[in-house]
Amino acid sequence: QVQLQQWGAGLLKPSETLSLTCAVYGGSFSGYYWSWIRQPPGKGLEWIGEINHSGSTNYNPSLKSRVTISVDTSKNQFSLKLSSVTAADTAVYYCARVAVTYYYGSGSYYRVDAFDIWGQGTMVTVSS
Amino acid sequence: SSELTQDPAVSVALGQTVRITCQGDSLRSYYASWYQQKPGQAPVLVIYGKNNRPSGIPDRFSGSSSGNTASLTITGAQAEDEADYYCNSRDSSGNPFGGGTKLTVL
Repeated sequence: QVQLQQWGAGLLKPSETLSLTCAVYGGSFSGYYWSWIRQPPGKGLEWIGEINHSGSTNYNPSLKSRVTISVDTSKNQFSLKLSSVTAADTAVYYCARVAVTYYYGSGSYYRVDAFDIWGQGTMVTVSS
Repeated sequence: SSELTQDPAVSVALGQTVRITCQGDSLRSYYASWYQQKPGQAPVLVIYGKNNRPSGIPDRFSGSSSGNTASLTITGAQAEDEADYYCNSRDSSGNPFGGGTKLTVL
């Protein structure tokens, strides 16, 4: 039974750096992508970015200049850093496992993602 | 702003069938996945790929796709299906979510 356990500071001041870590228990770390997703209060989900066990990353273009996602395979953990936070970054932050498959169509291979396991979420508030 | 468009709210009578849609150019190439979220809880994957259900998801949930539109269908909606539903799909820049649809079961 794979579980994701996440932790990090819940209250930040503007301009500080958000830092969260997610640990993977009970399953393989390689063979998947690992993602961060956030949800402002009362609003929808926003994909932040992802990393695989080799350290290959993809980021949301709207956040790319402030985001760093890293991995520690020795601990089966991955982490999120978001710099220069403002009140707009106040949200519940989730880590999630991404199960990736591919299908072939129209002469190309296309990736199919599924966020199949989620962490419990961490509420991060940015306030002076 | 989301590149995947969902109706903000949909309602269905108990036991009836409801379709929740998601529109976006990326859906012409990529399959959508669908997530159910109840208040105060993390989202749960309900459909992914062509029409795949994770273990534990009732078979009243199904997915389909046509052109630039992906659909989640609940056949015989139950009271416990009342929730927010989000679609997600890859595109050239990442993995955006739709804005979400609030499903009310009457």
